[in-house]
Amino acid sequence: GAVVSQHPSWVICKSGTSVKIECRSLDFQATTMFWYRQFPKQSLMLMATSNEGSKATYEQGVEKDKFLINHASLTLSTLTVTSAHPEDSSFYICSATHFRGSLETQYFGPGTRLLVL
Amino acid sequence: QKEVEQDPGPLSVPEGAIVSLNCTYSNSAFQYFMWYRQYSRKGPELLMYTYSSGNKEDGRFTAQVDKSSKYISLFIRDSQPSDSATYLCAPASGGSYIPTFGRGTSLIVHP
Repeated sequence: GAVVSQHPSWVICKSGTSVKIECRSLDFQATTMFWYRQFPKQSLMLMATSNEGSKATYEQGVEKDKFLINHASLTLSTLTVTSAHPEDSSFYICSATHFRGSLETQYFGPGTRLLVL
Repeated sequence: QKEVEQDPGPLSVPEGAIVSLNCTYSNSAFQYFMWYRQYSRKGPELLMYTYSSGNKEDGRFTAQVDKSSKYISLFIRDSQPSDSATYLCAPASGGSYIPTFGRGTSLIVHP
């Protein structure tokens, strides 16, 4: 149980285009989903917290107009990287919270690798 | 000082060895201590978690927390090549349960 999927798994795009990444909780409902970015050999950096039916909460330094998040249902959140540039190339990972025992823990998707040319 | 510090490694050990992975943190509010395993080009998966100080064992894995010294350890017994991955320690405070990730330690177990 507690499976999270992401689509696409990798994407290559030209500079200036927008890219949408989907995150789905397959066998549970997730009121809260998270979006992370991970550069090579670096830790996961939280970008934003996404709550179903409300606006996302962005971490300091993350441009909300560049990284649009829509949490349309209890099983789907999307991240759109608008006007992508080469410096946006990274590994984007989403997670959804679900109880494991008594702890509400995060279950991660497999990640989406974005390369902006 | 970063909130969570881990030696990035790589740590290379022979199959069957006992592995010790360590992590230090600075935020006294952390109460939950999680270890995630991340294979190359994959999302992290939760290995185990502990609450407050003490030990917790799960199969070949033992997590140890010493809140007085803000030191977290993960021990792997009888290590296998399939254990080769990056191990991320991720403590969280009781209020949000949102973990703060260390950069991870890369482990290589060679046959």
